[in-house]
Amino acid sequence: SQELEQSPQSLIVQEGKNLTINCTSSKTLYGLYWYKQKYGEGLIFLMMLQKGGEEKSHEKITAKLDEKKQQSSLHITASQPSHAGIYLCGASKLGTMEYGNKLVFGAGTILRVKS
Amino acid sequence: DTGVSQNPRHKITKRGQNVTFRCDPISEHNRLYWYRQTLGQGPEFLTYFQNEAQLEKSRLLSDRFSAERPKGSFSTLEIQRTEQGDSAMYLCASSPTSGRLANIQYFGAGTRLSVL
Repeated sequence: SQELEQSPQSLIVQEGKNLTINCTSSKTLYGLYWYKQKYGEGLIFLMMLQKGGEEKSHEKITAKLDEKKQQSSLHITASQPSHAGIYLCGASKLGTMEYGNKLVFGAGTILRVKS
Repeated sequence: DTGVSQNPRHKITKRGQNVTFRCDPISEHNRLYWYRQTLGQGPEFLTYFQNEAQLEKSRLLSDRFSAERPKGSFSTLEIQRTEQGDSAMYLCASSPTSGRLANIQYFGAGTRLSVL
């Protein structure tokens, strides 16, 4: 069973609109990763968050880890067709501080951007 | 830095046949991971290596699955007596254990297996 819940499962947005994807865990997140995947391809690393309250941005994508470290959000500003794909959150050893070993992933959020 | 390379990209086989996939990690990445992904799901961990040592195996990795990383560089994943339930995308990732990019896993494009 998935230990990371992602919401929504899918969404369609008009180009230029903002959107948010959430990733929730029942255990403390000590290392939270966001990846993007195009259908049938590998995962592309976006960002890694480790500290409660941490926020990172790259181009128009911002990811945050909440203070309690049980939820992360990914926010895209002014979406473009190039943002379309599957967004996956992953965490290493939920509830522990161990890094570097297996990642547990959410089921993914499918994003479509209408132009 | 050419990224993680996986071969073949696609494999179609008949039930009962053996298949082998290869993964070439980013050079100097001493950790290498194998995951399996089915449609509509996130990747599921199979196993990982630090250098040539296999440090963890998932319960998903039945006796029909074996992975090796003989010289701590490339890795192979073999599935014996394939079953239709083995059809999936097999993803390889690698990561360094030190430096600014430590513990970030970089993924290959995957090998898609179809068992007929």
